[in-house]
Amino acid sequence: DADVTQTPRNRITKTGKRIMLECSQTKGHDRMYWYRQDPGLGLRLIYYSFDVKDINKGEISDGYSVSRQAQAKFSLSLESAIPNQTALYFCATSDLQGRGGNTGELFFGEGSRLTVL
Amino acid sequence: DAKTTQPNSMESNEEEPVHLPCNHSTISGTDYIHWYRQLPSQGPEYVIHGLTSNVNNRMASLAIAEDRKSSTLILHRATLRDAAVYYCILRASTSGNTGKLIFGQGTTLQVKP
Repeated sequence: DADVTQTPRNRITKTGKRIMLECSQTKGHDRMYWYRQDPGLGLRLIYYSFDVKDINKGEISDGYSVSRQAQAKFSLSLESAIPNQTALYFCATSDLQGRGGNTGELFFGEGSRLTVL
Repeated sequence: DAKTTQPNSMESNEEEPVHLPCNHSTISGTDYIHWYRQLPSQGPEYVIHGLTSNVNNRMASLAIAEDRKSSTLILHRATLRDAAVYYCILRASTSGNTGKLIFGQGTTLQVKP
């Protein structure tokens, strides 16, 4: 089983609909992130969370919200989806850099492809 | 955040070494240099990182210029499975514990049989 699992993997929806993308992890990491990737572009950070009570905006948080329901779960919501939110979304986790020799590297899920018509 | 510059694409032959360059002329003294790669239809995966000294691991080597304004990711023997987009990323030590990574467009590596 994957360490970082995203659901759904693919979703087609209509403008104005509410969409939730879910992420769960079995790595025991405190830190979780949501990124989006557009064709030909790198990844851009939407939101990140250091623990259950901590939520931080990234580069492009407008139009998105998140919920950290538990250490292992971090969900991304689009309250009213619009076509320019069509993208590939990635969830990632990491441990604290330096703890136990950890590199702080990010572990990514396989992505959720969202199409907004 | 300091930026990196990478070639858009590179080609290599299978079983030959590949040198992927990255320029980061505005790097600060405490920025780490990270490399990730993204295989087709997958999320990015960590490759290697370094601060000042050259680094080796099972996946690759990282050569860092003495002035740290550039670095090179070295794949010693490219395989078809190494075809991917390679991202060079600077990670400020102040954000080292936040995990925030700023991705550029990366270098698309094609490996020919």
